[in-house]
Amino acid sequence: DSGVTQTPKHLITATGQRVTLRCSPRSGDLSVYWYQQSLDQGLQFLIQYYNGEERAKGNILERFSAQQFPDLHSELNLSSLELGDSALYFCASTSGQGGGADTQYFGPGTRLTVL
Amino acid sequence: GENVEQHPSTLSVQEGDSAVIKCTYSDSASNYFPWYKQELGKGPQLIIDIRSNVGEKKDQRIAVTLNKTAKHFSLHITETQPEDSAVYFCAASQHSGYSTLTFGKGTMLLVSP
Repeated sequence: DSGVTQTPKHLITATGQRVTLRCSPRSGDLSVYWYQQSLDQGLQFLIQYYNGEERAKGNILERFSAQQFPDLHSELNLSSLELGDSALYFCASTSGQGGGADTQYFGPGTRLTVL
Repeated sequence: GENVEQHPSTLSVQEGDSAVIKCTYSDSASNYFPWYKQELGKGPQLIIDIRSNVGEKKDQRIAVTLNKTAKHFSLHITETQPEDSAVYFCAASQHSGYSTLTFGKGTMLLVSP
């Protein structure tokens, strides 16, 4: 158990809908990273937050947004969902503010299925 | 940006054999190279990492080698066991600043008893 929690575990929804994925980092960790994992693209970095502020951005679509709250949990919002958004979504946390050498601890993921 | 290529995509070995997974990267500024293991239904878990001031690092049956000149690094697993069966990901990043991890596409390792 990494100490990172994600809810829900599974999510099934329809095209055009909006969903929210939630992540709680390990106790004491200030950074949260979001990744999308699909069979053909592997693990793709989406966005990072450090202590409530956006720190780095990857290949995140404009339909997607995220935020980190004062209690350090983070939410990833996906809107106008398309079939191609079906994937596993992971969050990871680190104690540092970024810089790739911080060990990232991954949560168990949320499997999103868009029908 | 950084690009990480990983080979092979699948690898089948017999229990007790060795397994080698290779990765190449494109950004010569990258200097941190972790390896993650992902078991079915779980998130990736760090198993070993190496920094560019080190050429090789070992941890029991697992070792990683790095060749900065050729921009490639490899994961070696000796005396494989069925519980080593999983998907393995390599990644690369810079040590400092706002650099983030770029992952390879993964290798599915199957160890048969």
